[in-house]
Amino acid sequence: RKEVEQDPGPFNVPEGATVAFNCTYSNSASQSFFWYRQDCRKEPKLLMSVYSSGNEDGRFTAQLNRASQYISLLIRDSKLSDSATYLCVVKVAGTALIFGKGTTLSVSS
Amino acid sequence: EPEVTQTPSHQVTQMGQEVILRCVPISNHLYFYWYRQILGQKVEFLVSFYNNEISEKSEIFDDQFSVERPDGSNFTLKIRSTKLEDSAMYFCASRGPGRFNTGELFFGEGSRLTVL
Repeated sequence: RKEVEQDPGPFNVPEGATVAFNCTYSNSASQSFFWYRQDCRKEPKLLMSVYSSGNEDGRFTAQLNRASQYISLLIRDSKLSDSATYLCVVKVAGTALIFGKGTTLSVSS
Repeated sequence: EPEVTQTPSHQVTQMGQEVILRCVPISNHLYFYWYRQILGQKVEFLVSFYNNEISEKSEIFDDQFSVERPDGSNFTLKIRSTKLEDSAMYFCASRGPGRFNTGELFFGEGSRLTVL
């Protein structure tokens, strides 16, 4: 069973669209949750942490459902510069980050 | 802005050769990591390093791999006898002091290893 599962996409959306990505994780002991962004052939970079109560950072909203072991990322008003792969990442205390394979987003004009 | 630097950016080697990948983490960071990403695949954890010793390693990190922090600034990954399946992008990352569950790892730009 994969530790972190994501729909690989690609999601192809026009500028201004709202798009949502989902992620499930298998380890119920996971305590920390994140979305990272990875541009083509570049290193991953932290987009935002995900908190139990849900959190928002500008056009980005992250949600966590611990009971369902499910994480989501919502992007509103998509920009061309949002085109990237979005990595769902989980962590059990005292261990390293575990990455999902990522969901690819392509925003077109 | 402080950053993690890695060298070389790309290395081509013959199967069976030894390879050393180098990393300079952010200067006040205490936790160091190596991850790898095979083309088209997910970012995979290899090893973490803290207080001059390995704190965790994955099943990928077998006896062919070793890490070292020889001089207080560099953090190296050695692959003793490379195999074709070692071809990947190798990312070094570091994390500062702070809450143990802080998730922000700062990644270097990666070293692409091609084994022929």
